[in-house]
Amino acid sequence: ETGVTQSPTHLIKTRGQQVTLRCSSQSGHNTVSWYQQALGQGPQFIFQYYREEENGRGNFPPRFSGLQFPNYSSELNVNALELDDSALYLCASSGRQGLRETQYFGPGTRLLVL
Amino acid sequence: GEDVEQSLFLSVREGDSSVINCTYTDSSSTYLYWYKQEPGAGLQLLTYIFSNMDMKQDQRLTVLLNKKDKHLSLRIADTQTGDSAIYFCAERRGYNTDKLIFGTGTRLQVFP
Repeated sequence: ETGVTQSPTHLIKTRGQQVTLRCSSQSGHNTVSWYQQALGQGPQFIFQYYREEENGRGNFPPRFSGLQFPNYSSELNVNALELDDSALYLCASSGRQGLRETQYFGPGTRLLVL
Repeated sequence: GEDVEQSLFLSVREGDSSVINCTYTDSSSTYLYWYKQEPGAGLQLLTYIFSNMDMKQDQRLTVLLNKKDKHLSLRIADTQTGDSAIYFCAERRGYNTDKLIFGTGTRLQVFP
């Protein structure tokens, strides 16, 4: 158990819809990163939030957006869903004061776009 | 480029040692990680190594880093059937980001 939780665990949407995924970081961690893991591949970095601000972004279009709240929990929003957005979405939290080198992942949300 | 490469499959007999290899391209890597992923699950951090180290041992796990060749390996001693999973290496570049670049993963199959 990493202390990082994600909801929902599974989700089915249709093309063109919008989705919001949620992540609660490990206690004391103020940085949350989101990754997309397509079937059979390694995770790909979407973006990172630090103290409620986006702090780095991977090669994902603007329809992927996020938020971080004062309690450091985070949301990933995806608009205009496409079939290729079907994947496991992972969030990871990392902390400070000696723990910054480690990231702990949640169990993920499996999104299927039909 | 951003490539982190791993071999796709490894099959070992229970009790033997497993060695999973990874190569990366960026010399600015600060930390290198090994994660384990079981079917349908998230990523479990196994171990990590700072880029100025050559080796790190943690119980059954030994990480070797050859910075000159940009080669990272994970050795699992006395491999058990519970070790069957996909193993990902990942690199972190620089200190001001937590962005990880993952390899494609190595599927380890342990047979009795």
